[in-house]
Amino acid sequence: RKEVEQDPGPFNVPEGATVAFNCTYSNSASQSFFWYRQDCRKEPKLLMSVYSSGNEDGRFTAQLNRASQYISLLIRDSKLSDSATYLCVVTHPGGATNKLIFGTGTLLAVQP
Amino acid sequence: SQTIHQWPATLVQPVGSPLSLECTVEGTSNPNLYWYRQAAGRGLQLLFYSVGIGQISSEVPQNLSASRPQDRQFILSSKKLLLSDSGFYLCAWKGTNEQYFGPGTRLTVT
Repeated sequence: RKEVEQDPGPFNVPEGATVAFNCTYSNSASQSFFWYRQDCRKEPKLLMSVYSSGNEDGRFTAQLNRASQYISLLIRDSKLSDSATYLCVVTHPGGATNKLIFGTGTLLAVQP
Repeated sequence: SQTIHQWPATLVQPVGSPLSLECTVEGTSNPNLYWYRQAAGRGLQLLFYSVGIGQISSEVPQNLSASRPQDRQFILSSKKLLLSDSGFYLCAWKGTNEQYFGPGTRLTVT
């Protein structure tokens, strides 16, 4: 079983739609959680951290359910510029090296 | 502010040739540094990490090696490239818990 699992998509949505991505992780000791965005042939960029209480940044809302080991990202009012691959990331517990475990990503294509 | 540089941006090398990729970080001291590889259509795989000068930990057995000769410099090398070494190589530094990536080097081994 992969440590971080995501639906690979693609998710094809019209502009203005609301889209939700889900992610599950296998190690219950993971402590930090993130969503990264990766544009085609570019490096991943941090989109937002995910906190237990849930957090929002503009049109983006992230949720964490530790009991279910489940992370979500909601994008409201989708823009063409939101088209990218969204990576779910968790820290590998233990040690001071802060290893990140990446999901393989969910591809979002926002259509005009 | 912190910035991270990688070069070259793209590289085409024949099988059996050597490799040297460089990563430098500005605006921070003694950062934890990481090398990742992303093969076509696949997720990021951690190759090496370093918590300081001369300190390298390897995550997966392979024909690659890493070195950290200076605080803000991290180098990925190979003596003889394999076809399977093709991919997108990314260097990253650690913030609080998150990591920030350089622009990457796209390597094609022919």
